[in-house]
Parts: sequence; C-alpha cells; structure tokens
Amino acid sequence: DTGVSQDPRHKITKRGQNVTFRCDPISEHNRLYWYRQTLGQGPEFLTYFQNEAQLEKSRLLSDRFSAERPKGSFSTLEIQRTEQGDSAMYLCASSQTGEDYGYTFGSGTRLTVV
Amino acid sequence: AQTVTQSQPEMSVQEAETVTLSCTYDTSESDYYLFWYKQPPSRQMILVIRQEAYKQQNATENRFSVNFQKAAKSFSLKISDSQLGDAAMYFCASGTYKYIFGTGTRLKVLA
Repeated sequence: DTGVSQDPRHKITKRGQNVTFRCDPISEHNRLYWYRQTLGQGPEFLTYFQNEAQLEKSRLLSDRFSAERPKGSFSTLEIQRTEQGDSAMYLCASSQTGEDYGYTFGSGTRLTVV
Repeated sequence: AQTVTQSQPEMSVQEAETVTLSCTYDTSESDYYLFWYKQPPSRQMILVIRQEAYKQQNATENRFSVNFQKAAKSFSLKISDSQLGDAAMYFCASGTYKYIFGTGTRLKVLA
C-alpha cells in the first residue's frame, strides 16, 4: 500500500469554474476525511465518511462544495463556481474505526483560483 | 467551542539541543485524544505522537515526548537531541476522529 494518494497535486482554475479532486485512502481504512488548510493556518475540518456514508459536514462546506465516496473506497471533492477564497490546500486523510490512532494524510491538492 | 492554541509561531533550536513546543486546548468532550503532527516544507503531514486523554502517563516516541497536564489542558511536545530533519511546522490537534488543529509552530534547527 502506498499510503493516501491525492490527485492532482496542483490545480489552477479561473474563477467560476468547477474543479474536482480525488483521494484514494489506505485500503484497510474505512474512515476518510477532507480538510482545508490556508496559508499560516492549521487544517480545518470539512467532512468525513465512514465507508460510503457521509457522517458529518462542517458549516465551512457551503452548498458549492460536495463530496462523495460512492463505493466506500476513493472519494471526490467537487467545488462548483470557484471563488478566490477557495484557494487553499485541500487535504485528505484516512483512518481505521475502533481506537483512534490518528490520521494518515495525503500530500494534498493545492488549489489556486485566479 | 473547541479550540487549540499554539502561542509560539516560531521556535529555533541548536542541533543536538532540546526544545519544547507549547499547546493548550479546550474541549467539552470527556474522552478525546491529543496529537502532534509534523509538516515538513512541501511534504505531507505525518503523525509524531499521540496521547490518550484518559491516560495520565505521558507518551514517548524515541526523541519525542509530551508533557500532558489534563487539568491545565496543556499538551507540550519536547524534542530531544534535535536534528536538522526535525525542521518543520508542528501542529497540535485535539479530538476524537474529527480534530481541531492549532495554527502551528515553525521549528528551525540551527547547525
């Protein structure tokens, strides 16, 4: 297993365009998380899945954001009608259920909205 | 609201010396975990050390140890025998499955 993979690593898009990011978690992990990290800040929780069920969404996740994990494996995060304020690093992480041993993070997708 | 505060934006340490990074938190949860994560420049975030809040014994991982003061809601990280490879952003986090992260401390290691 190669850990948590995120694609693409970088994305530059024009304001108003839609973007989609992909995350492939560690195969044994049934929990998957999305966080957003802006410059000089720590990661902020966006949403998480247990298997294919989306169990919690942050109020940060406006209706322009949608996340899916259709078969309980990989996940996608889509941002519609991007705004400059969406520019950030989008981090994916995964973990097992049971005792909380912490996350394994991916390398992130850096989004720049111009 | 749950919060995590790292009051040191930046710290420096001489190679082979010891440094302590501070973290305070506030939570309404009765069972929770505390973590320190390391984020090297342009690289992914990795877990350094983990503490179960219901355990009084401080966690240790090789050169890394914590000083967990539950009543004071304090969770500091001590790095002994600092190495150049320890240079990174360090984030403190609190929670159970969903974490609140602090704003980070940038650690510089001087040769």
